[in-house]
Amino acid sequence: GAGVSQTPSNKVTEKGKYVELRCDPISGHTALYWYRQSLGQGPEFLIYFQGTGAADDSGLPNDRFFAVRPEGSVSTLKIQRTERGDSAVYLCASSLSGRENTEAFFGQGTRLTVV
Amino acid sequence: AQSVTQPDIHITVSEGASLELRCNYSYGATPYLFWYVQSPGQGLQLLLKYFSGDTLVQGIKGFEAEFKRSQSSFNLRKPSVHWSDAAEYFCAVGATNKLIFGTGTLLAVQP
Repeated sequence: GAGVSQTPSNKVTEKGKYVELRCDPISGHTALYWYRQSLGQGPEFLIYFQGTGAADDSGLPNDRFFAVRPEGSVSTLKIQRTERGDSAVYLCASSLSGRENTEAFFGQGTRLTVV
Repeated sequence: AQSVTQPDIHITVSEGASLELRCNYSYGATPYLFWYVQSPGQGLQLLLKYFSGDTLVQGIKGFEAEFKRSQSSFNLRKPSVHWSDAAEYFCAVGATNKLIFGTGTLLAVQP
């Protein structure tokens, strides 16, 4: 596609449930990032993929969060045993490479609400 | 530690007035700096970026920003604001494997 696509755009789930958020990056982009944006805050880094491997997962808040990118394209962010504090907008971005001076293109995000 | 500070949480300007949004960064080496804009329900869109060279960079939608190493600043400017510029603006610094964002400045435009 022309841009980064994220599905669903909105997700409401009950506390304790499992959720999956999907990201389709721009074709040909080897680098893929997940960020979390809480209300009134800037995006905070969660995880970075270079190809199929998670090159940096230092931003994942705890072991309930996990992400995969099995074929080096689509990525799924998985959250187990959701908590109300997980409510946020989850943003995905992709870039041609993972270098610091490479422009990252962002999707519109998935708004997750845990009730 | 690397960080970005945007001192102004909320700014209101009149349409046609000039605009300056402040950004200060903390980074050990020469920084790669970015300004993004986020409209309601939209993703982040890159306005401009600074990597090296000329310290005054031009971006899309008539925005520009000036890198001042001595002040650790990268302020965003626009000479004449349009109503469509109302949005949230984020300054970011490129770090290893990630962008580090400020908390954002919400811009309101009065008619």
